[in-house]
Amino acid sequence: EAEVAQSPRYKITEKSQAVAFWCDPISGHATLYWYRQILGQGPELLVQFQDESVVDDSQLPKDRFSAERLKGVDSTLKIQPAELGDSAMYLCASSLRGDADTQYFGPGTRLTVL
Amino acid sequence: AQSVTQLGSHVSVSEGALVLLRCNYSSSVPPYLFWYVQYPNQGLQLLLKYTSAATLVKGINGFEAEFKKSETSFHLTKPSAHMSDAAEYFCAVSDRKTGTYKYIFGTGTRLKVLA
Repeated sequence: EAEVAQSPRYKITEKSQAVAFWCDPISGHATLYWYRQILGQGPELLVQFQDESVVDDSQLPKDRFSAERLKGVDSTLKIQPAELGDSAMYLCASSLRGDADTQYFGPGTRLTVL
Repeated sequence: AQSVTQLGSHVSVSEGALVLLRCNYSSSVPPYLFWYVQYPNQGLQLLLKYTSAATLVKGINGFEAEFKKSETSFHLTKPSAHMSDAAEYFCAVSDRKTGTYKYIFGTGTRLKVLA
């Protein structure tokens, strides 16, 4: 069964350092999402791609976060510089087209900022 | 704005007892609704979804949910809890109004199953 891949699974960094997360969606899925899940809360969308274009990045802290999906396949989310409040689970999801299509989630990257 | 409210951040049931997890939504357009389960340090797995077909939706692992428009609810049920059901459950609504179809999640309900 096809799955969304994410790496690394765990990342520990010090504040002010740069971190990057990678996501490989299910093959053929045009829509890719990055969510942030703070402990004890539900996931919140950071950025949504349709192919290589950003559809929604209204909740992305653009002064320190960036995301790209250059060839419309895999994607990278970067934080520079990391802050203590960025400690969270970062989840990637993909869907075939968007709309009513189910979003399939990867295992996530647990980020701890010291 | 669309939103989801999950009543009860923690629910405990005995093994074999009925599981009922509550979800109410707010949406100005007919919603698409989802229930996901999350085990510790893992991603989210889809249990079931409602996309305006049958109001009673059956999902995996014996779970089902009923869409009630009059109550703006989409509660998740399972007749008999199993120890393996212990996890966190999230209700989500798809944002159809803006056309992005991004998910708006509730804050989650942690289910504990007692032996």
